[in-house]
Amino acid sequence: EAGVTQSPTHLIKTRGQQVTLRCSPISGHTSVYWYQQALGLGLQFLLWYDEGEERNRGNFPPRFSGRQFPNYSSELNVNALELEDSALYLCASSLAVGLVYEQYFGPGTRLTVT
Amino acid sequence: TQLLEQSPQFLSIQEGENLTVYCNSSSVFSSLQWYRQEPGEGPVLLVTVVTGGEVKKLKRLTFQFGDARKVSSLHITAAQPGDTGLYLCAGLSGTYKYIFGTGTRLKVLA
Repeated sequence: EAGVTQSPTHLIKTRGQQVTLRCSPISGHTSVYWYQQALGLGLQFLLWYDEGEERNRGNFPPRFSGRQFPNYSSELNVNALELEDSALYLCASSLAVGLVYEQYFGPGTRLTVT
Repeated sequence: TQLLEQSPQFLSIQEGENLTVYCNSSSVFSSLQWYRQEPGEGPVLLVTVVTGGEVKKLKRLTFQFGDARKVSSLHITAAQPGDTGLYLCAGLSGTYKYIFGTGTRLKVLA
């Protein structure tokens, strides 16, 4: 069974530009989560999508946005890039097992903003 | 705000030694997960604990969830170089948001 896939693997952008990151969940998983992991810092929750709807959002500015498509894949968009947006962006998918949502992560997209 | 504090932050040990990593919160979590992450890769799920007092074993790894579901520990027996990595705990909050711990960076020397 294929795991969570993300594209691209690496990306270099300049300040002020916009970027779109993509994520395909494990087949059958309806939830997609996005996290930011800056160097030396832990995982910071960005967004949660389930069944095409945004269910929850972390403490990030509105220039971080996304969507989930009918096939459950997802995009994360970041506008007006800033240097501090440089990080590993991780996508995870999950399927509810009772009250437990086990997350499975993709390999991430390394974004460098210069 | 729910926070998960992990200790220690860094650990460097010799192959064959035992170690314990802790994940502490002031709040109750409905479930808690442990992950291992290697540089440049996504975290890999090791285990999920749900019930207070639960103990799960995964080969040389033993995971415990405290009775009050605020504390969890990961014990590794006879550590090997392949255990090297960043260990993360993550709790599911009441708002269905995952809160990740600060992480423990483990290095096992051959």
